Amino acid sequence: DAGITQSPRHKVTETGTPVTLRCHQTENHRYMYWYRQDPGHGLRLIHYSYGVKDTDKGEVSDGYSVSRSKTEDFLLTLESATSSQTSVYFCAIRPRDYTEQFFGPGTRLTVL
Amino acid sequence: ILNVEQSPQSLHVQEGDSTNFTCSFPSSNFYALHWYRWETAKSPEALFVMTLNGDEKKKGRISATLNTKEGYSYLYIKGSQPEDSATYLCAFESNTGKLIFGQGTTLQVKP
Repeated sequence: DAGITQSPRHKVTETGTPVTLRCHQTENHRYMYWYRQDPGHGLRLIHYSYGVKDTDKGEVSDGYSVSRSKTEDFLLTLESATSSQTSVYFCAIRPRDYTEQFFGPGTRLTVL
Repeated sequence: ILNVEQSPQSLHVQEGDSTNFTCSFPSSNFYALHWYRWETAKSPEALFVMTLNGDEKKKGRISATLNTKEGYSYLYIKGSQPEDSATYLCAFESNTGKLIFGQGTTLQVKP
């Protein structure tokens, strides 16, 4: 298995609070991604990173920010969580172009 | 906005049936086409990554073909088994390193 972990695995929070999800890899892979999974939508890309301090937006980036100060960590922050951000969040890593992605175990976030 | 479409959305087959799904994607800025298998309560796992027009890949009873000129890929499962029940996702990789996923085809194989 690719060395990729996500924390926390489950979180319940209230509307308006900030939330940070962490993705950690031990593979030294270049690319890291954050997706959200919602019924009827499959996997939608939030943000991704192609190197330390290099990030770009995905399809559904509004309300989310990311940071990657080290190769191994990619943080996803919800500055002020809303109920529409209740979802399962998956992190993925990839060594380079044309290669498969390896997914983390997911984080289930509930915003009340 | 890039659009990746998969059909059908869901499929129910009997054990032993062969089946196939379709993934349609933009034909411009194409880098690669990915297929993933996603079982309930697990994380997606890669099946294939295809890059060249005419590519064909095979893993056991599962195979895939790629047509980049017309923007489609087929995934075939020969002799479906109950353990093949899962959601099958395709993803279009552009020249930015971004992957855009389709909504998936959910396969249910009845014993």
